[in-house]
Amino acid sequence: AQSVTQLDSHVSVSEGTPVLLRCNYSSSYSPSLFWYVQHPNKGLQLLLKYTSAATLVKGINGFEAEFKKSETSFHLTKPSAHMSDAAEYFCVVSENQAGTALIFGKGTTLSVSS
Amino acid sequence: DGGITQSPKYLFRKEGQNVTLSCEQNLNHDAMYWYRQDPGQGLRLIYYSQIVNDFQKGDIAEGYSVSREKKESFPLTVTSAQKNPTAFYLCASSAQTGRLQPQHFGDGTRLSIL
Repeated sequence: AQSVTQLDSHVSVSEGTPVLLRCNYSSSYSPSLFWYVQHPNKGLQLLLKYTSAATLVKGINGFEAEFKKSETSFHLTKPSAHMSDAAEYFCVVSENQAGTALIFGKGTTLSVSS
Repeated sequence: DGGITQSPKYLFRKEGQNVTLSCEQNLNHDAMYWYRQDPGQGLRLIYYSQIVNDFQKGDIAEGYSVSREKKESFPLTVTSAQKNPTAFYLCASSAQTGRLQPQHFGDGTRLSIL
C-alpha cells in the first residue's frame, strides 16, 4: 500500500527566508504526487503536481518541488517566504491507477514571522 | 467563475438527528468526493462517485450516506449512526478519476454536536 509521510508537523521561518517542507512517500509503482495548501477554515488549493514528466515541478505562488525517486522524496521549497504563505500544507500521493483514492499526509503547518 | 460550493459553512447536530451537507459544482466534472478532516490526521475519504447514479464507499463510510442524482450535486448525509461526527467536511471534484487528475476542493462545512 502507498503511504506518505510529512516529516515536520510545524515549520517556522522568517519572512524573506527560504521554505523547505519535507515529504517522503512509498509506492509500488510510479506515483502521482501533489502538494496542496489550506488556509484556516478553507478548502485545499492545488499548489503543484508531479505526474512522471519533469522531476522539478513549478507551482503557483513561487513554490516548486523536486521528485527524487532514489530518495522517495517530494520536498516543497520556496526561495523567499511571504507572510501570506502561512498555512497548512499537505503532501498527497495517488493510491491507484484509477486515482480514486488520494493518500494525504498529516500536514505541515507553516508559520511566517516578520 | 467555476468552482465547488459547500453549504452550510457551519452546522450543528443534535443527538439522534440526521443532517445533510450540500456540495454543488459547476466545473462539469464527472467525479466527486467527500472527505473528513480531523486535527492532525489529514483527510480521509468517506465516499466517492465516478458517474451519476453510482458511488463507492471510501475508508470511513460507516454512519454516512450519499446520493448522486445529478452530475453537479453530491450531498452527504451524516446519520445518527455516526457517533463522532464533529469534524471539518470537504467536498472535491475532478474531471475524471485517474491518478493524473488533481482534485478541486470546496471551502468545507464544519459540523459540531449540540
